[in-house]
Amino acid sequence: EPEVTQTPSHQVTQMGQEVILRCVPISNHLYFYWYRQILGQKVEFLVSFYNNEISEKSEIFDDQFSVERPDGSNFTLKIRSTKLEDSAMYFCASSEQGMNTQYFGPGTRLTVL
Amino acid sequence: KQEVTQIPAALSVPEGENLVLNCSFTDSAIYNLQWFRQDPGKGLTSLLLIQSSQREQTSGRLNASLDKSSGRSTLYIAASQPGDSATYLCAVSRNNAGNMLTFGGGTRLMVKP
Repeated sequence: EPEVTQTPSHQVTQMGQEVILRCVPISNHLYFYWYRQILGQKVEFLVSFYNNEISEKSEIFDDQFSVERPDGSNFTLKIRSTKLEDSAMYFCASSEQGMNTQYFGPGTRLTVL
Repeated sequence: KQEVTQIPAALSVPEGENLVLNCSFTDSAIYNLQWFRQDPGKGLTSLLLIQSSQREQTSGRLNASLDKSSGRSTLYIAASQPGDSATYLCAVSRNNAGNMLTFGGGTRLMVKP
């Protein structure tokens, strides 16, 4: 069964460094999403992406964040200058259509020191 | 702003019991509601999606109902098994193009053999 994949599974970085989290959505899906979950807290929406542009973003998704679909398969989340509070599990998701089931990847655990 | 609440936060039951997990949301203008399962340190596995026009969905031992007007959904698990032990999350999407999901805090379920 097709699934969303994410790399790396764990990323450790120093505060102020740039990180890029990578995702490969399910191949025939058109809508892509990033969510995050700080340890012990709710899963929070960051951004949705369709047709090579952002459809919606949350207040969390400020100028430090950006997303890109650099080719036909990858979907990336970049954090330009990481802060301690960016430490979280970051989940990528995709859906075939905008209002269909969202399928989540296994997540990337980001630790900012 | 949409708020999603799940009760109880934790539940421990003996194997074989039928159980009900509750989810409530404050804004009834939703497009759909999705139930997920999350195992410790893992991603989210989609269990069921209910469109706002539907009353319930079933998959195997799982049955989810939706009462949109009262802002409630329940997930019924029949004949629980130790393998059902996980955190169960509900999430709602709004009527807009971004398909942002707003999550509840989850119910942590432990099924004892």
